[in-house]
Order: sequence, then C-alpha cells, then structure tokens
Amino acid sequence: DSGVTQTPKHLITATGQRVTLRCSPRSGDLSVYWYQQSLDQGLQFLIQYYNGEERAKGNILERFSAQQFPDLHSELNLSSLELGDSALYFCASSQKGPGRNFEEQYFGPGTRLTVT
Amino acid sequence: QKEVEQDPGPLSVPEGAIVSLNCTYSNSAFQYFMWYRQYSRKGPELLMYTYSSGNKEDGRFTAQVDKSSKYISLFIRDSQPSDSATYLCAMSTNAGGTSYGKLTFGQGTILTVHP
Repeated sequence: DSGVTQTPKHLITATGQRVTLRCSPRSGDLSVYWYQQSLDQGLQFLIQYYNGEERAKGNILERFSAQQFPDLHSELNLSSLELGDSALYFCASSQKGPGRNFEEQYFGPGTRLTVT
Repeated sequence: QKEVEQDPGPLSVPEGAIVSLNCTYSNSAFQYFMWYRQYSRKGPELLMYTYSSGNKEDGRFTAQVDKSSKYISLFIRDSQPSDSATYLCAMSTNAGGTSYGKLTFGQGTILTVHP
C-alpha cells in the first residue's frame, strides 16, 4: 500500500458526461501528479500540482482540468467525455516537488473509467 | 516517434532465468532513469532509479544506463514467479526545471516467470 488513495475505483458513464476523480496524497506529501494509462498510449503524464499551485503540464486535453485543495487532496475533472477517454487514471504524490533532488513518486491504485 | 520506446513483449521465461528488459529514448535532456513494476490492477511502484550514466545494483536487480547510446536496461537475476508483472521504464529531466516532475514512461514489458 503506497499510502495514496483514489476514489472511486471504478466509474462507468456515458459519452458527453462529466466526472470527478479524487486523490488523497500520502501524509505530508505536497506534490500531486495525475497520469492516464491506456492500452494504445501507455502511461502518460497529465498534470502536476505543488502545494495548491499548478507546476507542470503534459498533454492534458482542454476538456480535462484539475485542482489541489488546501488540505492537499486533488481532483481531476473530465468533461464532455468521449469513448477514447476510457482508461486507468492514476494519481501519484511526492514529498516536495520541482527543484529538489530525486523524489520517488508514489502511485495510488487508480480509477478505472469506462465511457460507453 | 515516441520519446521513450520499450518492447511490450510479452516475455515468458522459466524460473531462475536471467531477464533483460530494455528501453531506448530520444530526449538527451533526460537525467533520471527509473524502473517501475506494475502488478495487474495495481499502481506502478518504483523498483530502482539511476542518475545519469552507470550501473546500480539492488539485490537481484541491476539497472544500467548508457547515455551515449540513449539506452537503459534492467536485469533480473534468478527470476521468480513473483516477478511476473509489467515493467515500465520512466525518465525525467534534471531537477530544477519546471518539467522535472513529469515522468515519461515506456509502453511497459509484460513479463511472466513460470515455475
């Protein structure tokens, strides 16, 4: 158990809908990262937050947005869902963030999103 | 062309075999090289990381980085059925840059070690 929790575990929804995925980082970790894992694209970085502020952005679609709250939990919002958005969404956390020495990112168990 | 290329396999070996997993990359800015293991229906977990070129050993696992060839390897000695998982290589740029936190992953290699 990495100490990172994600809810829900599974989500089934229809095209055009909007969903929110939630992540709680390990106790004391300030950075949160979101990744998408699909069969064709593999594991891809979406976005990083550090202590409430956006720090790095990957190939995140405009339909997707995220935020990190004062209690450090994070939410990933996916809107106008398409079939191709079906994937595993992972959250990871690390202690500090950019500018530091190497830090391990601890991954949560993921949320499996199925868009029908 | 992807920044990081990894043969997805699958790779099937008998227990006790030496396993070699490899990745190539194109971005010369990568400085940190990692290997993650992912069991079915679980999140990835870090096995080892290496900074810049060189070798690193941890028990039955050895990671090698050759920056001149843009090639990294993970060797597993005396492989066990419990090593059956997907192995993902990952890379990031030097600490201090705004993109430091971003990990770029390979496709992952599915490994099965049979008794």
